[in-house]
Amino acid sequence: AQSVAQPEDQVNVAEGNPLTVKCTYSVSGNPYLFWYVQYPNRGLQFLLKYITGDNLVKGSYGFEAEFNKSQTSFHLKKPSALVSDSALYFCAVRDGRGYSTLTFGKGTMLLVSP
Amino acid sequence: NAGVTQTPKFQVLKTGQSMTLQCAQDMNHNSMYWYRQDPGMGLRLIYYSASEGTTDKGEVPNGYNVSRLNKREFSLRLESAAPSQTSVYFCASSLGPAMNTEAFFGQGTRLTVV
Repeated sequence: AQSVAQPEDQVNVAEGNPLTVKCTYSVSGNPYLFWYVQYPNRGLQFLLKYITGDNLVKGSYGFEAEFNKSQTSFHLKKPSALVSDSALYFCAVRDGRGYSTLTFGKGTMLLVSP
Repeated sequence: NAGVTQTPKFQVLKTGQSMTLQCAQDMNHNSMYWYRQDPGMGLRLIYYSASEGTTDKGEVPNGYNVSRLNKREFSLRLESAAPSQTSVYFCASSLGPAMNTEAFFGQGTRLTVV
């Protein structure tokens, strides 16, 4: 079975500082990893994905994520946080063997203070 | 281009009542999904349809039924609503069952069962 863990319920960071939102995963085959963002009263929006290739993936709104196979992690990062980045962030994984659906983590609330 | 459209946006039901949540996508996607979102639990898959004509159970299917009406539409039915089904429901679609395709989400339906 595949699973995702987001160990932090909330991350607080000051505007202009770098941010990291953590994600670890467990799958049987090769992982396909995704980050989504949810703003209040909205649906989830796709940010970026890792399928294969470079371990550093760049996505929307200046976000990037680093895939680390040995640590089974896919942490979301941004060099300089904006107040408008405040939202709920979800990590998700698909198992690379055969057809499988997305499994989501519980989400991490990111709060960026002015 | 509307993407994924869900109706209604809000609904209050009495215990035992039935209702159908509607979902339509205009992206010519093959796969569609229904998730529920509960505080502290992330998104959990209720049912999915990998392609037109097929439906499969997800993680939490009890109390729900689905119909893939055609390629565009995927409805979720609650036959006899229970307070435990109070949640925010999201419909999503993806290009296909391939592991590297991201899902696109609707705006959600906030359902309260009293």
